[in-house]
Amino acid sequence: GAGVSQSPSNKVTEKGKDVELRCDPISGHTALYWYRQRLGQGLEFLIYFQGNSAPDKSGLPSDRFSAERTGESVSTLTIQRTQQEDSAVYLCASSNPGETSGSVSSYNEQFFGPGTRLTVL
Amino acid sequence: RKEVEQDPGPFNVPEGATVAFNCTYSNSASQSFFWYRQDCRKEPKLLMSVYSSGNEDGRFTAQLNRASQYISLLIRDSKLSDSATYLCVVKTSGGFKTIFGAGTRLFVKA
Repeated sequence: GAGVSQSPSNKVTEKGKDVELRCDPISGHTALYWYRQRLGQGLEFLIYFQGNSAPDKSGLPSDRFSAERTGESVSTLTIQRTQQEDSAVYLCASSNPGETSGSVSSYNEQFFGPGTRLTVL
Repeated sequence: RKEVEQDPGPFNVPEGATVAFNCTYSNSASQSFFWYRQDCRKEPKLLMSVYSSGNEDGRFTAQLNRASQYISLLIRDSKLSDSATYLCVVKTSGGFKTIFGAGTRLFVKA
């Protein structure tokens, strides 16, 4: 079946403009993650969605960043008033959430999209 | 201190060599551990989970040391195709937030 898709694949914008990035998860995956990866660095967790639960927004770096998800489908990550420091690859991943028993939760593999390469001039 | 730390490398090894990567994590309550592989300009993909008893998948062996809070990945008989960045991943207790290390770059040369 189809994997995770993201659009656009590349985005060049001017400082101060708003951008919107889109992620289409694998059908049936209820969990969705956004990460940021700066050049030569690791993945930085941004936000996590699970079904209809309140998202975990603990990784969003500032109030210029926001994300939405409609049900268990498409998600959009919006960056307002972009800054040069926002330049990075933005990766989306989806998974089945695993099961939670008390404080222990299992983990299912995260499948990543190809990312959106954002360049802020 | 970062939650997950890895030696960035790069590790340059000849084909057939054995190479080991270590990763340390700061949260003693971390529950689950993984190694992902990321090829240049590609998305990460799961390489293997890391179990408390250690586990092996072909040429790859993963170990977990909870007392010292580190995990390791051993690659035997390195192939050119093993050249990639290897990401250590830790899942926090409760919830589903996952923390990725910055990765260790491996170059395998003929």
